[in-house]
Amino acid sequence: GAVVSQHPSWVICKSGTSVKIECRSLDFQATTMFWYRQFPKQSLMLMATSNEGSKATYEQGVEKDKFLINHASLTLSTLTVTSAHPEDSSFYICSATYGTGVNQPQHFGDGTRLSIL
Amino acid sequence: RKEVEQDPGPFNVPEGATVAFNCTYSNSASQSFFWYRQDCRKEPKLLMSVYSSGNEDGRFTAQLNRASQYISLLIRDSKLSDSATYLCVVRGSSASKIIFGSGTRLSIRP
Repeated sequence: GAVVSQHPSWVICKSGTSVKIECRSLDFQATTMFWYRQFPKQSLMLMATSNEGSKATYEQGVEKDKFLINHASLTLSTLTVTSAHPEDSSFYICSATYGTGVNQPQHFGDGTRLSIL
Repeated sequence: RKEVEQDPGPFNVPEGATVAFNCTYSNSASQSFFWYRQDCRKEPKLLMSVYSSGNEDGRFTAQLNRASQYISLLIRDSKLSDSATYLCVVRGSSASKIIFGSGTRLSIRP
C-alpha cells in the first residue's frame, strides 16, 4: 500500500535554529503533499499544500517566510521551520494522496515531534 | 459554524459495547468522506472511506447521509484496542480542500 515516510521523527534544538523536515512518498508519486501541525489535545491544522514544481499554498495565518516548503520532486517535500522558537514546538505531520482522484484518502507520515528549548 | 463538527467526547464505554459517532459537515458540495483513527502521539491512520451506500469493514460500519450532511461510524463489539481519537475527514471538489474534524475521543474500559 501507499507509504509516506517522514524524517526526523523527533527533534530537540535551541531557539533560533532552523529545522528541516522531510516527507517522502515511498512507492508512489505525489504531486500534492500536505503539511499539518497538531498541538497537544488539539485537532490537526492544515498549514500548507505543497505542490510539485510550484509554490506552496499556505493557509490563512501561516507565515510562508517562517515555514518554507519545497516540493522539488514527485516524491519529496520539505518543510523548514526557520529560526524556530519555543512556540513552534509541536507535532508536524505530512500527508500525500495516492493518485489524483478526489476519493483517494490521504496517507500520513509518522510525524515529527519538534521541541524548541 | 465549523466546516466539520464532531462531538469531542470522551466516550467511555465497556468492552463489548456498541458505540456510534456522528460528524456533520457544512459544505453540501463535499465529495468524499473518511474516518481516521489517531492514537496518542501518533499520526492519523485511515480507518475507512465512507461510501454513499454505506460500507462495513468487520466491526466497523460507516454511513453517509447527504440530505442531512452527516457521516457516522458504528463500532460493534468494541475492544480495548479501539481506544483512540476518531477523526472525520471531508474532502471538497478540489484536491487541496481537505477538512479534519476535531476528533472524538473513545475510551474502552475492561
